[in-house]
Amino acid sequence: DIQMTQSPSSLSASVGDRVTITCRASQNINSYLNWYQQKPGQAPNLLIYAAFTLQSGVPSRFSGSGSGTDFTLTISSLQLEDFATYYCQQSYNTPYTFGQGTKLEIK
Amino acid sequence: QVQLQESGPGLVKPSGTLSLTCAVSGGSISSSNLWNWVRQPPGKGLEWIGEIYHSGSTNYNPSLKTRVTMSIDKSKNQVSLKLRSVTAADTAIYYCARANVYYYDSSGYYYFDYWGQGSPVTVSS
Repeated sequence: DIQMTQSPSSLSASVGDRVTITCRASQNINSYLNWYQQKPGQAPNLLIYAAFTLQSGVPSRFSGSGSGTDFTLTISSLQLEDFATYYCQQSYNTPYTFGQGTKLEIK
Repeated sequence: QVQLQESGPGLVKPSGTLSLTCAVSGGSISSSNLWNWVRQPPGKGLEWIGEIYHSGSTNYNPSLKTRVTMSIDKSKNQVSLKLRSVTAADTAIYYCARANVYYYDSSGYYYFDYWGQGSPVTVSS
């Protein structure tokens, strides 16, 4: 199985901050990388697919980059509704695997 | 707008079988999409269980393969999950999710674009 490792596991930030979350794959996954946001009591919500393609309806302050083994999710200016847990997921092969999550909290 | 709705018993006894269904509305289950199950133990991360195509072909996570069966009912526009011989470690929220595909440069990139609200299942006597 491909192991996905996110860093940091948790992060405190303020409204308006620029935030970057990193995801590393245990092998080359080209651009087969998706990002999801999950709020308490809700299902995950797709933000970005194929490493950098923004899902329809997702604010443009979210962006993704990277290829191969190293990827980043950037939120350019944090809004109150962005405080949540973020997961990366590889779709290079099955079993699809997720990172352990990054919890973004209000400072 | 595609909507997915999971349903099933919230409590299953150890060694029993967990059975869930996912009703799809706003779209046909016979489309070219793949239908997936993902679970999340309390306070933990996400684990992919497996996927089923409208043809009925399946692909399971090897860690669960010996205990999982997925099926599709086109007449009801729903998919089902059965997990046998459950233990407390199978306690989780179970989500169904649609996998869509984005084609770029002759490659297909799969992603989960629609999710159900989740069905919590507790394994306990």
